[in-house]
Amino acid sequence: EPEVTQTPSHQVTQMGQEVILRCVPISNHLYFYWYRQILGQKVEFLVSFYNNEISEKSEIFDDQFSVERPDGSNFTLKIRSTKLEDSAMYFCASGSGGKTQYFGPGTRLLVL
Amino acid sequence: GDSVTQMEGPVTLSEEAFLTINCTYTATGYPSLFWYVQYPGEGLQLLLKATKADDKGSNKGFEATYRKETTSFHLEKGSVQVSDSAVYFCAFRLTQGGSEKLVFGKGMKLTVNP
Repeated sequence: EPEVTQTPSHQVTQMGQEVILRCVPISNHLYFYWYRQILGQKVEFLVSFYNNEISEKSEIFDDQFSVERPDGSNFTLKIRSTKLEDSAMYFCASGSGGKTQYFGPGTRLLVL
Repeated sequence: GDSVTQMEGPVTLSEEAFLTINCTYTATGYPSLFWYVQYPGEGLQLLLKATKADDKGSNKGFEATYRKETTSFHLEKGSVQVSDSAVYFCAFRLTQGGSEKLVFGKGMKLTVNP
């Protein structure tokens, strides 16, 4: 069964550093999403992406964040200058335009 | 604003016990409803869904019925197993207005002991 994959599974970085989280969505999906879950809190929507552009973003997704689909298979989330409060589990998801989103296993980001 | 309220855990049950996890939502539109499950060390997996009032979603012995009058989508299982130990998330997605985002509850950790 096809699945969403994410790399790395864990990332530790210093405050102020740039990080890129990578996702490979399910191959025939056209809609892509990032969510995050700060420890002990709700899973929160960050951004959705369709047809090579952002279709929706939350207030969390400020200028420090960007997304890109650099080739036909990867979908990346970049955080330009990480802050302590960016420490969270980041989930990528993809969908085919129906109501269901399929999630990857997540990348746990720790900012020191 | 739009939100999901779930029972807060953690909850510990014995094998074969009955499980109910309450979930209610507040939404400005007419949502589709979902339960996701996160097994230890894994990502979020779709457990079941319902897209209109009175629909019942079911999977792996779990069931939930979309109750529009009470804005609820409670998850039930008649007899839990050790392998059901996981975190369960209730979520919705609005079907109007073009929004695609899922709105999640806080999640509830379930541990099932043999």
